[in-house]
Formats: sequence, C-alpha cells, structure tokens
Amino acid sequence: AQTVTQSQPEMSVQEAETVTLSCTYDTSESDYYLFWYKQPPSRQMILVIRQEAYKQQNATENRFSVNFQKAAKSFSLKISDSQLGDAAMYFCAYRSPQGGSEKLVFGKGTKLTVNP
Amino acid sequence: DADVTQTPRNRITKTGKRIMLECSQTKGHDRMYWYRQDPGLGLRLIYYSFDVKDINKGEISDGYSVSRQAQAKFSLSLESAIPNQTALYFCATSDTRTGRTNYGYTFGSGTRLTVV
Repeated sequence: AQTVTQSQPEMSVQEAETVTLSCTYDTSESDYYLFWYKQPPSRQMILVIRQEAYKQQNATENRFSVNFQKAAKSFSLKISDSQLGDAAMYFCAYRSPQGGSEKLVFGKGTKLTVNP
Repeated sequence: DADVTQTPRNRITKTGKRIMLECSQTKGHDRMYWYRQDPGLGLRLIYYSFDVKDINKGEISDGYSVSRQAQAKFSLSLESAIPNQTALYFCATSDTRTGRTNYGYTFGSGTRLTVV
C-alpha cells in the first residue's frame, strides 16, 4: 500500500518570504499523481497544485511550485512571497492511476503559520 | 450552490445514538468517498463507492456504514456513536469516466461531529 509522509508537523514563515514544505511517499507504481491540498480555518479542502509522475517538468501555479524528485520519491511544495492568507494546514496526497486503487492517500499534514 | 454539499455542517450527538451524515453532488461524478480527519492523523478513508451498486470499505470502516442512494447521493451512518468517532468528516467525489484521475477529488465543506 502507498504511504505519504510529511515530516514537518508545523512550519512558520515571515510574510513575503519563501517556505518549502516536505513530502515523501512510498510506492511501487511507476505512474501516479501527486497533489497538495490547502485547508484554511474555514476547513474547506482546496487543491493547490498537482503533478503527474510521467511529467519531468515541475508543476507551478502562480506563487506555488513543486520540486518533484521521482527517484527519491519526494514532492515538496514551495510557496514564494508568502501571504497571510497562505496560513493553513497543507496536505500532500498520492493517487494511483485509473485501473489501480485510485484512492487519495494523504499525509498527516503540515500547519503553516505566516507571521506579519 | 456548492458542487458537493454536506449536511449537517456541525452536529453534537450523544453516545449510543444513531446518526446519518449526508452528501450530495451536482458534478455528475461517478465515484464518491467518505473520509475522516483527526488532528495529527490527516484524512483517512472510511468508505468509497464506484457507483450505486459498488461499495467498498476503506482503512477505518469499523463502526460505520454507508448507502449510495443515487449517483448523486452518498450517506454515512454511525449506528451507535461513540466518543472516539468525534472528528471532521469529509465527503468527496471524483470523475473517472473520462480518465480524469489526475484532477484529484472535489471535497465538501465537511461535517464536524462531536459525540458526548
């Protein structure tokens, strides 16, 4: 079974600075999808960014980018120019491709605090 | 209106009571899921449904049951609630019919359940 590990229960960053959240995963599959979800105090789960394992290029979405290292099974999230609204729980998640289990497996989350 | 609607948003119930959490979606997705979120544990899968006649247990199904009344509706029941079922519960959907597994899940806004 696939597992996802987020080794940083909490992180903090100064407003306008850059922060990187770590995520590693364990799988024997060669094709899969990876996601970062944000959960603000409103508790809504918001998709931040996704990465397809067969793509070597790292995904980016505005101030959010990932460092995907397939061989190392690492999928870190970089937030640039941090804003107060970025404060939230962040969850890394893994999904098998269609035909596999296709269930999202989550890490335990990282709580990000943004200091003004 | 939200794509995935969960009711109630919050609920307090007594130990031993039967309670149902409801989820409905307007996205036309084929698959629906129930997750439970506990602090420090991330989101864990309770049950999932590929279609109306296909229900599957997740990693923590004991003490729970589900019903897929229609493609758009998926309810979670606690037959006899106990305090350690106090948690935030999420319903989610995904669309696999078009091969869009890379798009992750769409989540409801969650039901916070407290069992006293």
